[in-house]
Amino acid sequence: AQSVTQLDSQVPVFEEAPVELRCNYSSSVSVYLFWYVQYPNQGLQLLLKYLSGSTLVKGINGFEAEFNKSQTSFHLRKPSVHISDTAEYFCAVSETSYDKVIFGPGTSLSVIP
Amino acid sequence: SQTIHQWPATLVQPVGSPLSLECTVEGTSNPNLYWYRQAAGRGLQLLFYSVGIGQISSEVPQNLSASRPQDRQFILSSKKLLLSDSGFYLCACRGPGNTIYFGEGSWLTVV
Repeated sequence: AQSVTQLDSQVPVFEEAPVELRCNYSSSVSVYLFWYVQYPNQGLQLLLKYLSGSTLVKGINGFEAEFNKSQTSFHLRKPSVHISDTAEYFCAVSETSYDKVIFGPGTSLSVIP
Repeated sequence: SQTIHQWPATLVQPVGSPLSLECTVEGTSNPNLYWYRQAAGRGLQLLFYSVGIGQISSEVPQNLSASRPQDRQFILSSKKLLLSDSGFYLCACRGPGNTIYFGEGSWLTVV
């Protein structure tokens, strides 16, 4: 069965510092992977996704993620964070195009001025 | 692109009362539809998903049910609400490129 682990529930980081939010998944077949962001009091917005091809995926707002099949990971990175990046970040996995989409518990990123 | 309408936005219901949350989708046909519940520290819990009219898959045994009477309509229901049903409920749709689009959500408080 699919599952998603986000090892860090809260990540504080100083403004302009780099950040990595970790995501690991469990699945026995090929997967699609997603990162979503939820800003305070707002809905969920897609940051980036991996469907196939290059394992390095670039998304909006300067974020990128790398798919590592051997380690079943899809970590999210940004080289320099801004105050506006303070939000909840969710990793998600889906095994097929017509299947359920499972989300992780989320990581709360707090950017400190 | 898809637009998801979800209502009501906020709901306060007494324990034991029924529930109906409705979701409609525009801009696509025969979409995969999902109901999630978001609780603090627990992320988004998948409750139900549907790949077509009348086809419902339940992920978590609980006090809720779902129905899909029309292609772009997805309803979350309960006959008798429990305190533990309180939470933020999100309807979602799978669109082009496998992107999941979310509605604005419904806040349910059971008192």
